[in-house]
Amino acid sequence: AQSVTQPDIHITVSEGASLELRCNYSYGATPYLFWYVQSPGQGLQLLLKYFSGDTLVQGIKGFEAEFKRSQSSFNLRKPSVHWSDAAEYFCAVGPPSTYKYIFGTGTRLKVLA
Amino acid sequence: GAVVSQHPSRVICKSGTSVKIECRSLDFQATTMFWYRQFPKQSLMLMATSNEGSKATYEQGVEKDKFLINHASLTLSTLTVTSAHPEDSSFYICSAADGTEAGNTIYFGEGSWLTVV
Repeated sequence: AQSVTQPDIHITVSEGASLELRCNYSYGATPYLFWYVQSPGQGLQLLLKYFSGDTLVQGIKGFEAEFKRSQSSFNLRKPSVHWSDAAEYFCAVGPPSTYKYIFGTGTRLKVLA
Repeated sequence: GAVVSQHPSRVICKSGTSVKIECRSLDFQATTMFWYRQFPKQSLMLMATSNEGSKATYEQGVEKDKFLINHASLTLSTLTVTSAHPEDSSFYICSAADGTEAGNTIYFGEGSWLTVV
């Protein structure tokens, strides 16, 4: 069955520290992969996506993610976190034939001043 | 990226009444839109897929007579919660598929808070 796992429910980092949010998926072939960010009470904003080509993708707000086929992972990284990055982050898997994404349960990021 | 707008952002209605939420794609045409429900501190639950000019496809367990979806144009889909009850209070989010963009990308609206009193 297709699934997305975000192992970390909460992560706390200090401002200026590096960040890595984990995402693992289960899918029969290479899916389309996405990271979204949600601020409290808001909709989701697309950070970045992977569907082909270079496995290291750059997104908005200084985020990047690396697709590792062998590990079925698509981890999100940022070298230096800002206080405004505090939010909920969702990893999503999209089968190439449809727009019906499968979302992970989310990781809530807290940033300490 | 493409812009999707939802209205209203917050609505309070009395139990037993109906409320409509609109989802618009502002700068692209969306043949497919999606409606989600999100409970506090939880992930998104897909309710239905809205296809322009045809009936919506509902996910298992979602009452289609309660959550009416209409996708009358390529830029507008509406969700009507009929005979609302307090348990329908939730955060509802729509998304729209930009078929011209590679990678099956969908963009989300800002969400709508529904409170049924």
